[in-house]
Amino acid sequence: DVKVTQSSRYLVKRTGEKVFLECVQDMDHENMFWYRQDPGLGLRLIYFSYDVKMKEKGDIPEGYSVSREKKERFSLILESASTNQTSMYLCASSLLKTEGSSYNSPLHFGNGTRLTVT
Amino acid sequence: AQKVTQAQTEISVVEKEDVTLDCVYETRDTTYYLFWYKQPPSGELVFLIRRNSFDEQNEISGRYSWNFQKSTSSFNFTITASQVVDSAVYFCALSDPYNNNDMRFGAGTRLTVKP
Repeated sequence: DVKVTQSSRYLVKRTGEKVFLECVQDMDHENMFWYRQDPGLGLRLIYFSYDVKMKEKGDIPEGYSVSREKKERFSLILESASTNQTSMYLCASSLLKTEGSSYNSPLHFGNGTRLTVT
Repeated sequence: AQKVTQAQTEISVVEKEDVTLDCVYETRDTTYYLFWYKQPPSGELVFLIRRNSFDEQNEISGRYSWNFQKSTSSFNFTITASQVVDSAVYFCALSDPYNNNDMRFGAGTRLTVKP
């Protein structure tokens, strides 16, 4: 089974702090994603990466950056945390391709990190 | 633009009732993929099903069934004889066939099954 592990289940940080959210997957997946989940808004993509050192912006990248130095690890960085970044953050991974050359394999998610910024 | 609408924010049923979760999507693509995910209280979204736009056959997996209707752009999910363990938030998602970094999720439907 694919295992996606997020380092923290709950985090409380102060406004202005630099925050690191870590995610590790153990199935050699090429793609990794960071989503933010808010009530009534579903999941919104912050950043994704399809290879080491590669990153692409999602729908809401402002205020965030990412790092992917190793294939299995994808970090989300809040440079200066603000209260509007209080949310549930979900990491996911997937294969680049599935059978039949489909680029659409299912996402495998971690348990999420609930971040509160005070 | 791609969009997924799950109009039901919350549904509450009593155990053993059948329940249908609605999903309506918008896309200009002729080829696309639809997904359902389950998020139990533990927080981890679990993949349930993927369906491509060329396969309109309905699918049944145990108590779960999915009805894909291209004519109405809907991909509804029915749980038969619901159980307390089905209580979760369910997300419908849409993605194009060439990259799943553009997966669009609905807002989710919270299902509560009472004993």
